[in-house]
This record gives sequence, structure tokens and C-alpha cells, in this order.
Amino acid sequence: GAGVSQSPSNKVTEKGKDVELRCDPISGHTALYWYRQSLGQGLEFLIYFQGNSAPDKSGLPSDRFSAERTGGSVSTLTIQRTQQEDSAVYLCASSDGGLNQPQHFGDGTRLSIL
Amino acid sequence: AQKITQTQPGMFVQEKEAVTLDCTYDTSDQSYGLFWYKQPSSGEMIFLIYQGSYDEQNATEGRYSLNFQKARKSANLVISASQLGDSAMYFCAMREARSTNAGKSTFGDGTTLTVKP
Repeated sequence: GAGVSQSPSNKVTEKGKDVELRCDPISGHTALYWYRQSLGQGLEFLIYFQGNSAPDKSGLPSDRFSAERTGGSVSTLTIQRTQQEDSAVYLCASSDGGLNQPQHFGDGTRLSIL
Repeated sequence: AQKITQTQPGMFVQEKEAVTLDCTYDTSDQSYGLFWYKQPSSGEMIFLIYQGSYDEQNATEGRYSLNFQKARKSANLVISASQLGDSAMYFCAMREARSTNAGKSTFGDGTTLTVKP
């Protein structure tokens, strides 16, 4: 079946512009996660959605970052007034929410801020 | 305090030999799950193996096994008969059942494994 889909795969934009990154999770998965990964580094947690519960936004680095998940499915991560330090790969993952269920990752969006 | 610690930034192993990647974790929760993921240079994250805190036997999946020592809070990944395609970054992750953290996963910083021919 279809896996987690992220778009765009690459995004180059100028400093100060807003960007939107999209994630289509696996159908039926109740949990959705966003992570940020700099080159050769680990995963930095950004935000977590579980069903209809309020999202865990504890990882968002500043108020320039926001995310929403519409209808319990597709999610959009928005970065306003981008800065060069926002350059990274943004990974989305979904799972069916059970403690023993692994996360299924998309291929990521490589964001470059000029 | 870091919840997942991977102390080996980089590891080398000879092809066909076994290698152990270390992972220690910190939690006061009695119910949790431990995961290992592989990330090749192409970037995709691949789930390898899972161990539940109440599982009495060590998890195994093909050439991967998990050396789970609950009292020491360690969950080391063992790869047997290494292959060139095992060269990748490996991440250990934990998910706790406590309501404040339920569902959210914590990842270690990763270990880069290089398999030598």
C-alpha cells in the first residue's frame, strides 16, 4: 500500500519567505509526527498529533513554526519568515498510535534557505 | 537528562562479522517500547526491530537482534553477518505509555556504521 508521502521533496526559498510543507500519512494512522534533521545529525522532534487530541507542540523551536492536521489526515507544517538556520530536512512520520507500533517515515522535504 | 543515549558516534565492522550498537535509555515509566531504525545515505528511515518493556525474550528479526537488559536500561542492537548494505546511520528510539508523553517518541543522536569489505 501507499506509504507516507511528503511534498515538495525539495524546496529552495529566500530568507524571509513563508513555506508550507505537506505530509500525507498512511491511511488509518491516527498518529502523525514532524521532525527536523540537519545533515548528519539526529532527529529533532517538532510536533505530534494523536487522533482528535490537542497536538503536542513542545518541540516547535519558535512561534514562526506552526502545524495543522485537517480531518485527522493530511498535515501541513508552516514556517513563517524563514531564516537560514531553518535549512534542514523535515521528516514526517505516521503510526497507528499503539505503543508497540513503529513509525513509518516519508522521504522528507529538503528545505534550503538562501 | 537525555532519555536515549547512543555513545558511539561512529562504528566500523568487517564484512561478515557481527557488530553491537549501544543504546541506553532513561525512564520512570514501567510500560514503554524501544525501537531501532536504519537511515541509509539515501535518507529514508527504515524500521528494524521492536522490544516491549514487558517482553521477556529478546526481539529478533532476521540478522537483527536486540540485547535487552531492563535492569541496566540498555537495548543494544546486534547485527550478525554484516553486509556492505548495512552501512548507514542507526537510531534508537523509545515511546513511553505515560499520559504526558504517550505516543511521542524520543530518538537518540544515532550511530554511523561503516561496513568494510
